[in-house]
Amino acid sequence: NAGVTQTPKFQVLKTGQSMTLQCAQDMNHEYMSWYRQDPGMGLRLIHYSVGAGITDQGEVPNGYNVSRSTTEDFPLRLLSAAPSQTSVYFCASSLQDPSSYNSPLHFGNGTRLTVT
Amino acid sequence: LAKTTQPISMDSYEGQEVNITCSHNNIATNDYITWYQQFPSQGPRFIIQGYKTKVTNEVASLFIPADRKSSTLSLPRVSLSDTAVYYCLVSNTDKLIFGTGTRLQVFP
Repeated sequence: NAGVTQTPKFQVLKTGQSMTLQCAQDMNHEYMSWYRQDPGMGLRLIHYSVGAGITDQGEVPNGYNVSRSTTEDFPLRLLSAAPSQTSVYFCASSLQDPSSYNSPLHFGNGTRLTVT
Repeated sequence: LAKTTQPISMDSYEGQEVNITCSHNNIATNDYITWYQQFPSQGPRFIIQGYKTKVTNEVASLFIPADRKSSTLSLPRVSLSDTAVYYCLVSNTDKLIFGTGTRLQVFP
C-alpha cells in the first residue's frame, strides 16, 4: 500500500515553461487536494477535488490547473511557470470530504519546485 | 471558515510534557478540531481529532473546553523525535485551510 505518491521529487524549470506535477493514491480516496508550502506561510490550498470529475479552487489557484479524470490521480499543471511558483508542493487525499469526522488527510512527501 | 491562532514556536526538553494551545474564537457548531505534525522534508501527518471534551490516543491527548473556542494538544514526555511543526485545523467544509503552525524544538 503506497499511500499518496508524488512525482517528481525535485524539479527545476525556467520561467515560462510548463509542467505537470503528478499525484496518485491507491487508497480509493474520494477527496484529493494540492497545497503549496513556502517559508513562514504554512500550507496554502491551491485546488481540491471531492470526487472524479469535480474540482474547485482553494486559496491560491492562479497559475495552476487541475483535472480529476480518475479517482486515483490528481495532476497539477503549471501552464507558464513563474519564479513566484518556487515552492514545495504537497498532494493530500482523504477517504471522504475531510470535514467529515474521522476522515483525515493523508499527504505525499512533496515536490520541490524551483523556477529560475 | 474558522481562523486559528497558534504560537509560532515552543521549546522543551526531553521527558517533559508539552502543551500547544490553539485559539479558534469563531468555531462553528459543526466544526471538528484536528491536529497534524510535520517533519522536515515530509508531508503533514494526522495526530488527533476531536469535537469536545477530551480525546486520547497512543501519541497525544486533545483537550477542548466547553465553549470550544480553544483546544490544547498535549504531548506526554516528549523526545527529540517530536521536534516538528504542529498544525491545528478547524473546519466543517471541504476547503481545509492550514495556519502557519507551531514549531516545537525538543532539546536533550
